[in-house]
Amino acid sequence: EVQLVESGGGLVQPGGSLRLSCAASGFTFSSYWMHWVRQAPGKGLVWVSRINSDGSSTSYADSVKGRFTISRDNAKNTLYLQMNSLRAEDTAVYYCATERKLWSTRYFDYWGQGTLVTVSS
Amino acid sequence: DIQMTQSPSSLSASVGDRVTITCQASQDISNYLNWYQQKPGKAPKLLIYDASNLETGVPSRFSGSGSGTDFTFTISSLQPEDIATYYCQQYDNLPSFTFGGGTKVEIK
Repeated sequence: EVQLVESGGGLVQPGGSLRLSCAASGFTFSSYWMHWVRQAPGKGLVWVSRINSDGSSTSYADSVKGRFTISRDNAKNTLYLQMNSLRAEDTAVYYCATERKLWSTRYFDYWGQGTLVTVSS
Repeated sequence: DIQMTQSPSSLSASVGDRVTITCQASQDISNYLNWYQQKPGKAPKLLIYDASNLETGVPSRFSGSGSGTDFTFTISSLQPEDIATYYCQQYDNLPSFTFGGGTKVEIK
């Protein structure tokens, strides 16, 4: 059974840092591109970041570029999101998700349960 | 950046009703569009990929159509378990996967 379990969320002050983790099991983690998606309370889904299967290529939404860093440890089957210089508008549930690639088709087929990050003084 | 505009933002319908949601892209995205269902407190779930392909295991009352800039998601006969928020997602402008604003579906 595929499982993605996020952790590391919590309350942090503006300007602070937090590192999220996403532990993967039930599939060959090292073969999949991975994503972070966030959802502010009562709001919609927003794509945050993507990393390729070996970690050599990353991309970010403009809203987090320069502040967030996505990485992965394929030996530990774990995805990370290092979040620095946090702002109130970063408050959200953060989901990790797998990207399924079939020729030109792309979609997110497995999602974690999410971890809540609250940025507040 | 490609913007995805969903409408309506919410709707209320009776069990058995046909429900239609639209998603408009700010530029041509071919058929690079997916639809997800998100129930309260849960992670999103893929329903439709490439605009019209039903994900394995998803009930056939769900369907999608469209290409270019205009897309439609339909529930042919609304069931109580379909109460959720539905999102479209484009992937023409990789690596960004932009979501629409969502449509909350409620039972009348």
